[in-house]
Formats: sequence, structure tokens, C-alpha cells
Amino acid sequence: RKEVEQDPGPFNVPEGATVAFNCTYSNSASQSFFWYRQDCRKEPKLLMSVYSSGNEDGRFTAQLNRASQYISLLIRDSKLSDSATYLCVVNEGTNAGKSTFGDGTTLTVKP
Amino acid sequence: NAGVTQTPKFQVLKTGQSMTLQCAQDMNHNSMYWYRQDPGMGLRLIYYSASEGTTDKGEVPNGYNVSRLNKREFSLRLESAAPSQTSVYFCASSEAQAAFGYTFGSGTRLTVV
Repeated sequence: RKEVEQDPGPFNVPEGATVAFNCTYSNSASQSFFWYRQDCRKEPKLLMSVYSSGNEDGRFTAQLNRASQYISLLIRDSKLSDSATYLCVVNEGTNAGKSTFGDGTTLTVKP
Repeated sequence: NAGVTQTPKFQVLKTGQSMTLQCAQDMNHNSMYWYRQDPGMGLRLIYYSASEGTTDKGEVPNGYNVSRLNKREFSLRLESAAPSQTSVYFCASSEAQAAFGYTFGSGTRLTVV
């Protein structure tokens, strides 16, 4: 079993749709959690940190469920520009470098 | 713009050749990292440097060496390139323990033939 697993995708949705991605992690000692966005042939860029209380940034909402060991990303009112690969990242927090990346979920938003 | 700068952006090597990938950051971050990304896969850590003067192996260190030249610069060396090292390489930096996430460079696309 992988340490971090994401929905395999791809997700193909129409503009305006709401879409949700889940990511499960196996290390219960994990300390911090993130969602990154990666455009084709580009570097990953930090989209959101994920806090225990949940957090929202415009159309994006991230949540953490420590008991079930998963994080989620909800995108409302999808835009064409949301098309990208979304990477889940889990950090142990005890040592620099101890982050594990999911394989990513690809989202395509269509007109 | 502040950030992480990698060079070169593209490189083609023949099997057995050596090369060094350069990385510099100007955000005064303590920690720096080298990742590789293969098609359809997540990033895998090659080496990292928690602070100036220290380096540690990551998940896939074989075939690579690194040097933390100073606080700003962290280089990755392939001593004898192999086709299995064909990949996209990303350098990243972070505050201590990456508690606030990483900033990535734009990547180096390496092909070994």
C-alpha cells in the first residue's frame, strides 16, 4: 500500500460543476498536509495548506480528517483554468524532507 | 522575482556521461531538496539538505550525489548517467521542516540515451 493515495482520476467535468478529490495517508504521525497544483510540464505550486479545522480560499475548500486519515479538496463552480493535476502532500513534520507526494489526480474542465 | 532557479532547463546525455544540475534560492530558506518526477507519478525525493552543511538521502538516492555549496545553492550530480535517470528533476526549498510547504524551481528535463 502506498503511503499517500489519491483518487486515480481523470476527472472530466463541465464548467460550473463541483468536484471533490480525496487523498488517504497511512502515517498517523503526519503533521502537515497540503494540496499542490501542477500544470502540464510545469512545476508544482502550493494551492492550499490543510488544517484540522478545514480551510477555504474562494472556490476551494480543503478538509482534514485525522481519525480516518484522509484529506479532501473541493472545487466549486469549476473554471476552465482549473484544469491541472492536483497533488496531495503529507509531511511528517519531524524532519526536513519527510514529505510524501501522491501520484496526482488530473482534472479537465470542459466548456 | 524571488524564488528557486534551476539550470539547465533541458539536457540530453549519453549513457555514462556526467553532469551537474544547479539550483539556487533567494528566499533565505534553510532546507533544500531534489526530487524527480516520472510520467504519471508523484515526486520522489532524491536528496535533501535540512540546513547548510548537512545532506541526507531520500527515497531514491542511488546514482546521484549532492553538494550544499552555501545556504543559497544545492547541486545534484549524476556521475555516470543511465537511461533509468531520464526524468524531470525539480529543486525545491522550504522553511525548516517544510511546515509551510515547498517552493519549486521550474524543473530540468533530462533525457539519457
